[in-house]
Amino acid sequence: AQKITQTQPGMFVQEKEAVTLDCTYDTSDPSYGLFWYKQPSSGEMIFLIYQGSYDQQNATEGRYSLNFQKARKSANLVISASQLGDSAMYFCAMREEQGGKLIFGQGTELSVKP
Amino acid sequence: EPEVTQTPSHQVTQMGQEVILRCVPISNHLYFYWYRQILGQKVEFLVSFYNNEISEKSEIFDDQFSVERPDGSNFTLKIRSTKLEDSAMYFCASSESRQGAEKLFFGSGTQLSVL
Repeated sequence: AQKITQTQPGMFVQEKEAVTLDCTYDTSDPSYGLFWYKQPSSGEMIFLIYQGSYDQQNATEGRYSLNFQKARKSANLVISASQLGDSAMYFCAMREEQGGKLIFGQGTELSVKP
Repeated sequence: EPEVTQTPSHQVTQMGQEVILRCVPISNHLYFYWYRQILGQKVEFLVSFYNNEISEKSEIFDDQFSVERPDGSNFTLKIRSTKLEDSAMYFCASSESRQGAEKLFFGSGTQLSVL
C-alpha cells in the first residue's frame, strides 16, 4: 500500500537559515514521482518541486532542493535562506506510475522567525 | 501559466442541503481529481475522473457524492445531502496524464461550511 509520512508536525527556523523538512514514503512500484507542495494560510496548493524515482540527480528549484535517498525511501525538502514568506504548511506527496492519484503526507507547518 | 479555477471560493449551507462545487480544469488536461482537506488535517483523495467516468474513488466518496463533466470545460462535485462533517476545503486538480512524473495542478479551493 502507498504511504507518505511526515514526522514533523511543526518546525521553526530563523530567517536566512536553511531548514530540512522530512518525508519518507513506502511503495512497491519501482516507478513513481515525489512532489512537494506549499500551502500558505490563504489555502491554495502551490507546487514547489518534483523528483522522479529514476532521476539520478537531486531536484533543485531556486531555493528549494530535494534530498532524495532512494534506498532509505526518503525525499526531504531543503529550503535554503529562509524568508518570512516561507511560513506555511508543506506537504510531501507521491504519485505512482500509472497510478493516477496523488497521495499526501500529514504536512509540516513551518514558521520562519525574523 | 494556465490555472485551474474553482467557484465559489466559499460556500455556506444548511445540513441536509445539496451543494455543487464547480471547477474549470486546464483546457488540454484529461485527468481530473477532487480532494478534501478538513481543517488542520492532511489532503485526502476523493475521486479521479477520466474519459467521462470515474477511474478511482476513495472510501470517503460514498453515495452522497457524485461528479460530472457536464460540458467540455466544467467539472463538478455534488454532495446530495450535506452533513456537518462535510465541512472542509475542497480542491479540484487536473493533469495531462496519469503518469507518475506528471504534476497535478490544483485550484484555489472551495471552503465549504455546513451549519
